Amino acid sequence: SQQGEEDPQALSIQEGENATMNCSYKTSINNLQWYRQNSGRGLVHLILIRSNEREKHSGRLRVTLDTSKKSSSLLITASRAADTASYFCATAGGGAGNMLTFGGGTRLMVKP
Amino acid sequence: DGGITQSPKYLFRKEGQNVTLSCEQNLNHDAMYWYRQDPGQGLRLIYYSQIVNDFQKGDIAEGYSVSREKKESFPLTVTSAQKNPTAFYLCASRQGPESGNTIYFGEGSWLTVV
Repeated sequence: SQQGEEDPQALSIQEGENATMNCSYKTSINNLQWYRQNSGRGLVHLILIRSNEREKHSGRLRVTLDTSKKSSSLLITASRAADTASYFCATAGGGAGNMLTFGGGTRLMVKP
Repeated sequence: DGGITQSPKYLFRKEGQNVTLSCEQNLNHDAMYWYRQDPGQGLRLIYYSQIVNDFQKGDIAEGYSVSREKKESFPLTVTSAQKNPTAFYLCASRQGPESGNTIYFGEGSWLTVV
């Protein structure tokens, strides 16, 4: 069963604009991670935010986490055509195997 | 280079055949995973292994089998019992908890039933 649900499912923006993707989850977590997937490729880890953190930055990426609302957002600033990909949030609950549970993803298209 | 290697990239299976997807990692990670991804969908966990000679079923293990005889290798067999095997298969391995349990993925294998 999916723990995280991304919103929107698809997003189309112009180059230079900011892109915001949201993730909601259901149970308590140890950390939340964002991954990127180019079409037909494996997933690449972008950023991890721990449950005791509220905001984290990495280059043009900004991730927030609100554990009271069980939600996270990924902001990509000054988007580029090369940012076109699917973005997934994944939650780690610390249970058996410390498995990550992935959401359905947001498909981002950045038009040049 | 360090990483996870999946092979083959593309595989065609006839009805009733078993096929095996290879996954090798040289990252010295203990834990390894197999996920299935259907077009436009998220990832679903098939099997995972936390240590050599041990593995556990994930959410959609029916019709699949795995082995973990070596730390570096975690092959997945798609058996004839899997009725709808056409999908993109992703193998992954995990850093330890001191690194936040980040998962690293291979490039995936496309399986098509013909």
